[in-house]
Amino acid sequence: AQSVTQPDIHITVSEGASLELRCNYSYGATPYLFWYVQSPGQGLQLLLKYFSGDTLVQGIKGFEAEFKRSQSSFNLRKPSVHWSDAAEYFCAVGLNNAGNMLTFGGGTRLMVKP
Amino acid sequence: DSGVTQTPKHLITATGQRVTLRCSPRSGDLSVYWYQQSLDQGLQFLIQYYNGEERAKGNILERFSAQQFPDLHSELNLSSLELGDSALYFCASSPRLAGGPTDTQYFGPGTRLTVL
Repeated sequence: AQSVTQPDIHITVSEGASLELRCNYSYGATPYLFWYVQSPGQGLQLLLKYFSGDTLVQGIKGFEAEFKRSQSSFNLRKPSVHWSDAAEYFCAVGLNNAGNMLTFGGGTRLMVKP
Repeated sequence: DSGVTQTPKHLITATGQRVTLRCSPRSGDLSVYWYQQSLDQGLQFLIQYYNGEERAKGNILERFSAQQFPDLHSELNLSSLELGDSALYFCASSPRLAGGPTDTQYFGPGTRLTVL
């Protein structure tokens, strides 16, 4: 079965600093990969997704992620963090088969220092 | 706003009771998914319906059931509730049955269930 690991439970960065959130997946083939963000009291919002092609994908709010097959990783990055980016971030794996469920990582809570 | 609506936003009930959570998918989406988010289990897939039929099951308890109606809205029924069922329940929808570049899941705001 596929699995997703987000090694960092909490990360604190200063406003304006760069950010990288790690995500590793376990699956026999190339899965579909997603990053979602959950602000306090809110639902999940899709930041970006990777299906195939260019391994560097751009998302909303200035986020990007890079798929590295050799490392089974899909890390999320942002060059300059804003205070409004404080939220919980979830990496997810989807499968291209009947039953398109997502398997989520445990999430990384991002705190932004002024 | 994802276009997926869920009611109610909050639900407080007692152990042993039964509740129904409702989800309306985005216009045109045929697949509906239910997820549970709890502190100890994280975000877990429960069940998927496509155009009225159950298509995939995840870690859904036998006390829980769901259905999707002809107008494509879905209901998640939770019965014989236990304290551990307290969680945030999300509904998501996507256009098609199986994955693909255009078949992204869009999540509703969730229903927070508290079992006392």
